[in-house]
Amino acid sequence: RLVESGGDLRQPGGSLRLSCAASGFSFQNFAMTWVRQAPGRGLEWVSGISGSGGTSYYAGSVKGRFTIGRDNFANTLYLQMNSLRVEDTAIYYCAKDHYYGSGSYLAFDIWGQGTRVTVSS
Amino acid sequence: QSVLTQPPSMSAAPGEKVTISCIGTSSNLGNNYVAWYQQFPGTAPRLLIYDNDKRPSGIPGRFSGSKSGTSATLGITGLQTGDEADYYCGTWDDSVAGVVFGGGTKLTVL
Repeated sequence: RLVESGGDLRQPGGSLRLSCAASGFSFQNFAMTWVRQAPGRGLEWVSGISGSGGTSYYAGSVKGRFTIGRDNFANTLYLQMNSLRVEDTAIYYCAKDHYYGSGSYLAFDIWGQGTRVTVSS
Repeated sequence: QSVLTQPPSMSAAPGEKVTISCIGTSSNLGNNYVAWYQQFPGTAPRLLIYDNDKRPSGIPGRFSGSKSGTSATLGITGLQTGDEADYYCGTWDDSVAGVVFGGGTKLTVL
């Protein structure tokens, strides 16, 4: 199970940290990812991180502004969001990689319920 | 504009079959497995198909997937009103080093 938290209202240029608490599986053995969905829009991948945390990837739209991280002792995934823009407004989902190991990012089999981020002045 | 191309909407009658296409390029579908997701309004996506044609446990056999070259297809047979949802394809794109999704297909069962 995955439970996101941390979503809130921020002004443009602000910061926010999302968390995703994992349970029911061996967290450290699976890559994790963040996917967002703007109101009325489709899915957009944001970032992914390997099971060890040693490798991470970012969508071009957030590179340099967002940082993904994980704490394998606390079974928690994070997304630090800086320099927020209006276009970052979305529901943010964390999701578990389907494949055991370092991560393939080819399929995500467990999703959280999402946390809402609104960026507006 | 999404990297993977899906029809925005499709409709069919209960009991019929529908196929949803997903068109990509050599750097994504041409070189990687595809996954399909189902999403009902206000809920998180659910994995329907992975590795092109495999179903996770709990997904009915009415759902099937296939891939050929840079195109993939999701098939749903014996349509039910409960299948009304948005469907997304997704895969890894080697050229951008990231996950790409289709724009989604809204399926109406009428």
